[in-house]
Amino acid sequence: GAVVSQHPSRVICKSGTSVKIECRSLDFQATTMFWYRQFPKKSLMLMATSNEGSKATYEQGVEKDKFLINHASLTLSTLTVTSAHPEDSSFYICSAGRLSGQGGSNQPQHFGDGTRLSIL
Amino acid sequence: KNEVEQSPQNLTAQEGEFITINCSYSVGISALHWLQQHPGGGIVSLFMLSSGKKKHGRLIATINIQEKHSSLHITASHPRDSAVYICAVGTGNQFYFGTGTSLTVIP
Repeated sequence: GAVVSQHPSRVICKSGTSVKIECRSLDFQATTMFWYRQFPKKSLMLMATSNEGSKATYEQGVEKDKFLINHASLTLSTLTVTSAHPEDSSFYICSAGRLSGQGGSNQPQHFGDGTRLSIL
Repeated sequence: KNEVEQSPQNLTAQEGEFITINCSYSVGISALHWLQQHPGGGIVSLFMLSSGKKKHGRLIATINIQEKHSSLHITASHPRDSAVYICAVGTGNQFYFGTGTSLTVIP
C-alpha cells in the first residue's frame, strides 16, 4: 500500500488563490521530503528539499515566497502555492526519504500520487 | 548535456518481449533510482541501487559504477507494464532525473 499520501489529487481554482498541498508519510518518519514539479511530457524537476524543523532548501530559479514549504512534523510537509496564476498550473509531486543503509534519508524513496493544479 | 541520459525515449513492444531501458549518467552518485510513472501521474519507486543487481518479480535493475551506466530489464512484458520509466541519480547534494522512457506494450 501507499506509504506517502498526497492531497488533494486535483485542484482547479481561480487566479489569485493560494493553494495548499499536503504530503504525509503514513508509516514512517520522514526527516526529508522533496517537492517536484512536472510539465507535460517532461521529466520531474526538483523544486525544494524540506527537512523537518528547518527551512526548506530551494533549487535555483524556484521562488521561495511563491512556493512556501513547511515541514512541521516528521510525517507532514506542505507546499503552498501563493497567489497562484495560470503559469503555475502543473503537476506537483512529493516524495519522502526514510533512513536506510543506502544514502540515509536523502534519497526520495517513496512518492505521493501527485497533485494536478489548474489555475483558471 | 544532461547529467542523466536515457534511451530509448519511446519504446513499443509486443506482449511477452524482453525489454531493456538504458541510463547513463555523468556525475558521481550515492544511489540510482528507477521509477515508474503511470498515465495518471503517480510514481512508484521500483529500485534504488548503488552497486550490482536487484530483482523484483519480472523487473531486473543493474548498475555498473565504473561505466556510469544502469539498465532496467523487464522480462515477459505485459500491457500493464505500459508506463514511463524514469532513471534518477542522487549525489547526496543534488538529484537528477532522466527525461524518461515511454513504454507501450501491445497485447
